[in-house]
Amino acid sequence: QVQLVQSGAEVKKPGASVKVSCKASGYTFTGYYMHWVRQAPGQGLEWMGWINPRSGGTNYAQKFQGRVALTRDTSISTAYMELTMLTPDDRAVYYCAREYGGNYFDDWGQGTLVTVSS
Amino acid sequence: QSVLTQPPSVSGAPGQTVTISCTGSISNIGAGNDVHWYQQLPGGGPRLLIHSNSNRPSGVPDRFSGSKSGTSASLAITGLRAEDEAGYYCQSYDSSLSAPYVFGPGTKVTVL
Repeated sequence: QVQLVQSGAEVKKPGASVKVSCKASGYTFTGYYMHWVRQAPGQGLEWMGWINPRSGGTNYAQKFQGRVALTRDTSISTAYMELTMLTPDDRAVYYCAREYGGNYFDDWGQGTLVTVSS
Repeated sequence: QSVLTQPPSVSGAPGQTVTISCTGSISNIGAGNDVHWYQQLPGGGPRLLIHSNSNRPSGVPDRFSGSKSGTSASLAITGLRAEDEAGYYCQSYDSSLSAPYVFGPGTKVTVL
């Protein structure tokens, strides 16, 4: 079965960067786009961007342009999300989510809590 | 500010039916883009509940159903059960936005 397993919680200082991993199993990693979605405490879901694992092509929400980088390592079926210049407003749970096709997300990682505090 | 709107909360007694609306515009739902629904249990991550307006993935009980009309969609939960108490999010696509994958703000379902 499809599994997306994310790296553990992170605590970062303002201005620092964080890199979250998402290891995929149970399907052909390069066959489906991987998206990243975040959820601030008590808030809704916010789409950040996607990566095409086959080509490495990416697309980012304008809000995160210049601060976010999505990458992948196909040899270990893992996607990464790096967010730089962190502020307390970036405190959120970050999810990777597989797009099956049809612009929806059929499988999600368990989430990674990123806390930004001085 | 979400481009999709949902009621903040709905509630019902066990066995009852609750309906959650998701209202968009001509640039997203009304443009023919499908609506998808996710369930988020307390402390958990989102789980796909309904895709492409009315399709249930395997393992989702048939108590959950979705529909779409015009610029709106709705999720119905019939035979409400205690384990349905969760947050529910609608999602669609809006090509006019730089962040085209759009979510509603979520609806909290409370089982009385």
